[in-house]
Amino acid sequence: DADVTQTPRNRITKTGKRIMLECSQTKGHDRMYWYRQDPGLGLRLIYYSFDVKDINKGEISDGYSVSRQAQAKFSLSLESAIPNQTALYFCATSDPGTEITDTQYFGPGTRLTVL
Amino acid sequence: AQSVTQLGSHVSVSEGALVLLRCNYSSSVPPYLFWYVQYPNQGLQLLLKYTSAATLVKGINGFEAEFKKSETSFHLTKPSAHMSDAAEYFCAVSGYNNNDMRFGAGTRLTVKP
Repeated sequence: DADVTQTPRNRITKTGKRIMLECSQTKGHDRMYWYRQDPGLGLRLIYYSFDVKDINKGEISDGYSVSRQAQAKFSLSLESAIPNQTALYFCATSDPGTEITDTQYFGPGTRLTVL
Repeated sequence: AQSVTQLGSHVSVSEGALVLLRCNYSSSVPPYLFWYVQYPNQGLQLLLKYTSAATLVKGINGFEAEFKKSETSFHLTKPSAHMSDAAEYFCAVSGYNNNDMRFGAGTRLTVKP
């Protein structure tokens, strides 16, 4: 079974609709992240959470919100979807442990299309 | 803020040839540097990372990268390409706390038989 799962894997929606993307992990990591991937732009950080009570904005948080329901769950919401939010969305987790900088483990992605 | 630039959005090599994917970074603090690989319809997978312990970093699948501070580079190499190496490769940089990881635009590697 995958350590980081994302649901749905694909979603088509219309402009103005509210959308929630969900991420679950079984790795026991405290840190979770949401990224979006656009062709030619790589991945950009939307939000990150270093524990259940810690939520921080990333590089491109406008138009998005998140909820950390538990250590294992981190949801991304688009309150009113717009076409330029069409992208591939990735969830990631990490745990610094004893490393200087922690490795991020990525889910399989959610492809979102906003018409 | 940190950033990385990947030179070449597409690289094509023949099977058995040297793979060289270029990455240059910009950082005001000692950087931590990463190479990730993305196979079709999958998430990103860590190939290797530099955390200042050694300038030559060996990763999975025969890949390695060398940190060169004087050139602000962290190029990824593999001596002999395999068909299974065809994928998109991302270079990334972060500071100490991993809360501001910046990715490059990616380089798509094609391996010809």
